[in-house]
Amino acid sequence: GESVGLHLPTLSVQEGDNSIINCAYSNSASDYFIWYKQESGKGPQFIIDIRSNMDKRQGQRVTVLLNKTVKHLSLQIAATQPGDSAVYFCAEGGGNDYKLSFGAGTTVTVRA
Amino acid sequence: GAVVSQHPSWVICKSGTSVKIECRSLDFQATTMFWYRQFPKQSLMLMATSNEGSKATYEQGVEKDKFLINHASLTLSTLTVTSAHPEDSSFYICSARIGGTDTGPQHFGDGTRLSIL
Repeated sequence: GESVGLHLPTLSVQEGDNSIINCAYSNSASDYFIWYKQESGKGPQFIIDIRSNMDKRQGQRVTVLLNKTVKHLSLQIAATQPGDSAVYFCAEGGGNDYKLSFGAGTTVTVRA
Repeated sequence: GAVVSQHPSWVICKSGTSVKIECRSLDFQATTMFWYRQFPKQSLMLMATSNEGSKATYEQGVEKDKFLINHASLTLSTLTVTSAHPEDSSFYICSARIGGTDTGPQHFGDGTRLSIL
């Protein structure tokens, strides 16, 4: 079946630098995309979402970009901090069942 | 806002025991809740969709009689792992979405780590 996937399983970034996490999706019918952050032993925490009628959305220190042409989603984190170390998941959804399909996850490690 | 509470956070029990996990939406009503399972260093796998006042919808390969779901109110869904065995050991996470017709984020609890001896 179709699924959401991530290009890189790990990302190491220097504190203060910007981080970019990428995600590829294959279900062209998906119209809702979301990023979650999961710290060890905890549940996923909502970061930011975007609908298919947009190609960019900004939050506090985060930006999500959606390229529907190549079915690509990215999360940019500005001025990465040690507290940003976690596993990041992208997920896609759409339709009336409100279900989300999660990608494999990218582990982000921030170097001091 | 949009807080989801899950209880217990950690369970250790003997093989053959049934374990109930509760998922509560604390500050909103949730007509739909979701139950996921997550193995170490893996992604979340949806097990079932819990709908208030109706039967749960299970994903392919998930045993309905093994994982009993009850969504009796707009703020509570329970997952019961019946006759648990070591292979059922995992991290179980619930989520809830605020009622309405628009797709929106699911809000997650902090999970229940289940260890079957």
